[in-house]
Amino acid sequence: DAGVIQSPRHEVTEMGQEVTLRCKPISGHDYLFWYRQTMMRGLELLIYFNNNVPIDDSGMPEDRFSAKMPNASFSTLKIQPSEPRDSAVYFCASSRTANNQPQHFGDGTRLSIL
Amino acid sequence: GEDVEQSLFLSVREGDSSVINCTYTDSSSTYLYWYKQEPGAGLQLLTYIFSNMDMKQDQRLTVLLNKKDKHLSLRIADTQTGDSAIYFCAERGSSNTGKLIFGQGTTLQVKP
Repeated sequence: DAGVIQSPRHEVTEMGQEVTLRCKPISGHDYLFWYRQTMMRGLELLIYFNNNVPIDDSGMPEDRFSAKMPNASFSTLKIQPSEPRDSAVYFCASSRTANNQPQHFGDGTRLSIL
Repeated sequence: GEDVEQSLFLSVREGDSSVINCTYTDSSSTYLYWYKQEPGAGLQLLTYIFSNMDMKQDQRLTVLLNKKDKHLSLRIADTQTGDSAIYFCAERGSSNTGKLIFGQGTTLQVKP
């Protein structure tokens, strides 16, 4: 079975540019999560969706960050404009509703803002 | 609020047992998870335990849960160099939001 698929795997861009990260969750999973991981702050939950609806976006750092889930098989995390402090590894994860179901993670997008 | 704490670093010799500890604050936690992250990769689920269990064993992995003390541990028997990674503890509260609370991760270094 295909796992969570993220693209691109690596992104290097200059500050001020728009960055779009993409995620395809596991088929049949109704929860989707976006995380950011840095050495300084560890793993942070940015936002999560249930049945394509954003449930909690309290972890989104500021208005430069936005996330969408137009359908059950696709989500984007956008940063506009990007800043060097946004450099991190961004993970997408998905899970089913049932209580014991763990989250399954993608391999992440390593983002470097110059 | 909900919080999960782990020690940041553990170093062991190959062949020894490793014990990674985790404490959590949410007494209504239903499931607790251990994830492994290798360099350049995402988090991979290793094992999980339901809150009404004390112990779960899976090959070289043993999970112990002390619900009274809100303490979770992961024991890796016969630790190998391939076990070197970051290990995350996570807990799911009673509300079925799908959300997990992660610890900050323990880096396990295995010396040959």
